[in-house]
Amino acid sequence: QSVLTQPPSVSAAPGQKVTISCSGSSSNIGNNYVSWYQQLPGTAPKLLIYDNNKRPSGIPDRFSGSKSGTSATLGITGLQTGDEADYYCGTWDSSLSAEVFGGGTKLTVL
Amino acid sequence: EVQLVESGGGLVQPGRSLRLSCAASGFTFDDYAMHWVRQAPGKGLEWVSGISWNSGSIGYADSVKGRFTISRDNAKNSLYLQMNSLRAEDTALYYCAKSTTPLYGSGSHYDYWGQGTLVTVSS
Repeated sequence: QSVLTQPPSVSAAPGQKVTISCSGSSSNIGNNYVSWYQQLPGTAPKLLIYDNNKRPSGIPDRFSGSKSGTSATLGITGLQTGDEADYYCGTWDSSLSAEVFGGGTKLTVL
Repeated sequence: EVQLVESGGGLVQPGRSLRLSCAASGFTFDDYAMHWVRQAPGKGLEWVSGISWNSGSIGYADSVKGRFTISRDNAKNSLYLQMNSLRAEDTALYYCAKSTTPLYGSGSHYDYWGQGTLVTVSS
């Protein structure tokens, strides 16, 4: 059971938009920055979004992040088949004194 | 180019020990905290441990506290994870991950990850 809650899977057609939610509490998302990681099949995770809504260089603006209260959301527009991957949210939990991740969401581009 | 290369994984019996290493290059190693994150087969990411730039601050997940020890050698640009009293549930791909801050804790994220080293605990 992960500290952060994500839907197990989402799907959408190429070119469409999808959002992935990440729900937590005041001890984690509510008072700390959220990051998002993309894990393509058979590869290591890759930083996609940090500090709730910032993109590292090289990440296209099709990817966006937002946070409200104790929840965060990853948005992906203009879906491509190459976006098929597992997506994880992560943040610091002040009560646990530990980094925590969501359980991951598998994105399928139909 | 930043590179993180893990090594030391393998098949080990329950109760035995293993030491993982992570060789870092392409950045000033002692400017950043470092972490270990693991992923059991077919499962999600689980943070294992983190260490600040000067080893002054260290943390562990409850699942490994008292059994695992993280350390670093800044002169060798290397990160380590000593794993004792291994259990079947420790079976996972272990990633070394670079933080974006020197301190372990709130406000950081992982901008570079290694490819992982597989640890299998089985009799």
